[in-house]
Amino acid sequence: TQLLEQSPQFLSIQEGENLTVYCNSSSVFSSLQWYRQEPGEGPVLLVTVVTGGEVKKLKRLTFQFGDARKDSSLHITAAQPGDTGLYLCAGGFGNEKLTFGTGTRLTIIP
Amino acid sequence: GAVVSQHPSRVICKSGTSVKIECRSLDFQATTMFWYRQFPKQSLMLMATSNEGSKATYEQGVEKDKFLINHASLTLSTLTVTSAHPEDSSFYICSAGRTVSYEQYFGPGTRLTVT
Repeated sequence: TQLLEQSPQFLSIQEGENLTVYCNSSSVFSSLQWYRQEPGEGPVLLVTVVTGGEVKKLKRLTFQFGDARKDSSLHITAAQPGDTGLYLCAGGFGNEKLTFGTGTRLTIIP
Repeated sequence: GAVVSQHPSRVICKSGTSVKIECRSLDFQATTMFWYRQFPKQSLMLMATSNEGSKATYEQGVEKDKFLINHASLTLSTLTVTSAHPEDSSFYICSAGRTVSYEQYFGPGTRLTVT
């Protein structure tokens, strides 16, 4: 069974602070994606990373794929209340099926 | 692009009845669609992979006869929860995959409540 552990599970910080969410596995992924989900809605794709060591930026969000393609991180700079949500990483193994991480519930306090 | 819709968004049914949920890819063709279940405050759990024109592949522990999946066209997959019971109450989400990128695009989900 391929497991993706995310940490922290819950995170509550003040607006303007920085934060990092981690996604770790013992398996090597061919691709890794990050999604954000708001209550009562489906997940929305934020980014896909496929190359070990790859770094992608999306405004205040920075995503990194580990060199060994077993882990990833999401860093948010100057968090805003609109960043609140459930963040999910998901790993692919060269086919279309994804394995989702355990999730990180982020709350940004105004 | 890459818009996926689900219908209905919410459904309440009585125990013992069946409920059908539709998943459509609106602006692209999806040979593969996925059905997930999500419990409150938890991550997504893959139930089955739906392939156009062939039988669905179910994950371990998912009852095939209870969760019937049909993928009749490149833009439509349906999930039918048969003989629903209160423990089937959950948030069901579908996604459609784009083969080239292995990315999945999710529908808005269906909240099923069985009374």
